[in-house]
Amino acid sequence: GAGVSQSPSNKVTEKGKDVELRCDPISGHTALYWYRQSLGQGLEFLIYFQGNSAPDKSGLPSDRFSAERTGGSVSTLTIQRTQQEDSAVYLCASSSASGGPETQYFGPGTRLLVL
Amino acid sequence: AQSVSQHNHHVILSEAASLELGCNYSYGGTVNLFWYVQYPGQHLQLLLKYFSGDPLVKGIKGFEAEFIKSKFSFNLRKPSVQWSDTAEYFCAVNARTNAGKSTFGDGTTLTVKP
Repeated sequence: GAGVSQSPSNKVTEKGKDVELRCDPISGHTALYWYRQSLGQGLEFLIYFQGNSAPDKSGLPSDRFSAERTGGSVSTLTIQRTQQEDSAVYLCASSSASGGPETQYFGPGTRLLVL
Repeated sequence: AQSVSQHNHHVILSEAASLELGCNYSYGGTVNLFWYVQYPGQHLQLLLKYFSGDPLVKGIKGFEAEFIKSKFSFNLRKPSVQWSDTAEYFCAVNARTNAGKSTFGDGTTLTVKP
């Protein structure tokens, strides 16, 4: 079946602009995660959605970052007033249950460059 | 707060050499532990995971990892590496009480010379 898809694959934007990154999880997966990977570093947790529960937003680095998940499926990560330090690969993952030992399935990522 | 430390940033081995990648975590409670791998040009994918039972877990492609609770470690091993094992390897942990929030290490790049 289809895996996790993300769009766009690459995004170049100017400092101060807003960007939206999209994630389509695997069909039927109730949990969805966003991570950020800066050059040479590991994955940094941003936000986690599980079903209809309130999302865990504890990893969002500032109030410029927000995410929503519509209809329990597609998710959009929005970065407002982008800064150069926001440049990174943004990864989305989904899993079939509420985190825990469940395997996360990752998308290809969106590479964001803020000029 | 939980944290993960991977000791080696870049490992270079010849084919047939044995591999051990270190991973230590910091968290006082019960955890789930993972190794993920990213082959060149591919997505991150699960290599193996531990959440209970036998602390020696086996994954795909001949990899295994041992959970040593007293050392807060979850080292990855393979007795004989192949050129196709060239990839970046990430150790990750999440706490049973907050299982949606995983913490990843910075990754280890493995280069296997043919």
